[in-house]
Amino acid sequence: AQSVTQLGSHVSVSEGALVLLRCNYSSSVPPYLFWYVQYPNQGLQLLLKYTSAATLVKGINGFEAEFKKSETSFHLTKPSAHMSDAAEYFCVVTQGGSQGNLIFGKGTKLSVKP
Amino acid sequence: EAEVAQSPRYKITEKSQAVAFWCDPISGHATLYWYRQILGQGPELLVQFQDESVVDDSQLPKDRFSAERLKGVDSTLKIQPAELGDSAMYLCASSSWTDLSYGYTFGSGTRLTVV
Repeated sequence: AQSVTQLGSHVSVSEGALVLLRCNYSSSVPPYLFWYVQYPNQGLQLLLKYTSAATLVKGINGFEAEFKKSETSFHLTKPSAHMSDAAEYFCVVTQGGSQGNLIFGKGTKLSVKP
Repeated sequence: EAEVAQSPRYKITEKSQAVAFWCDPISGHATLYWYRQILGQGPELLVQFQDESVVDDSQLPKDRFSAERLKGVDSTLKIQPAELGDSAMYLCASSSWTDLSYGYTFGSGTRLTVV
């Protein structure tokens, strides 16, 4: 069975500071991993995805994540936070393929202070 | 850019009434998902379709929820009767693993409030 653990339900950073959102996964098969962002009363927008190619994945809005198999981690980072980054972030794992279902973490709410 | 269409965006209904949500996936996407997201939590799968067939509905409360995708394109999720605990965001997603540029794409969701 696959699972995702997001460490910290709420992270607060100052504008311009480093953003680090932590995610650890559990999977018995090589996983596909995603980070999604959700703004209030909106759907989910894909930030980036890992599909067994490069371990360092660059996404939209300056975010990136590194797949570390030895640590079973897929942490999301951004060098400099912007006020518009305030949202909920979900780490997601799937085994992929046409039968694959997305397993979501509980989410981390990011607040950005001016 | 191709999108997953959902309607309505917001729905308020009284408990014991029937309610229905509609989803139109990205053209050509064979796999369609309905997720429920309770406020403050991550989405959880209700039902997954591959073309017109149900692949996984193990978490769908079948005594009150039903889902169909008759022609393998758009889909409808129905709740009858609605209960207060059904208040949530209902998200539709579609995927195509023959085109990894898409992966999984979500619609904007339907926010249901049961009063």
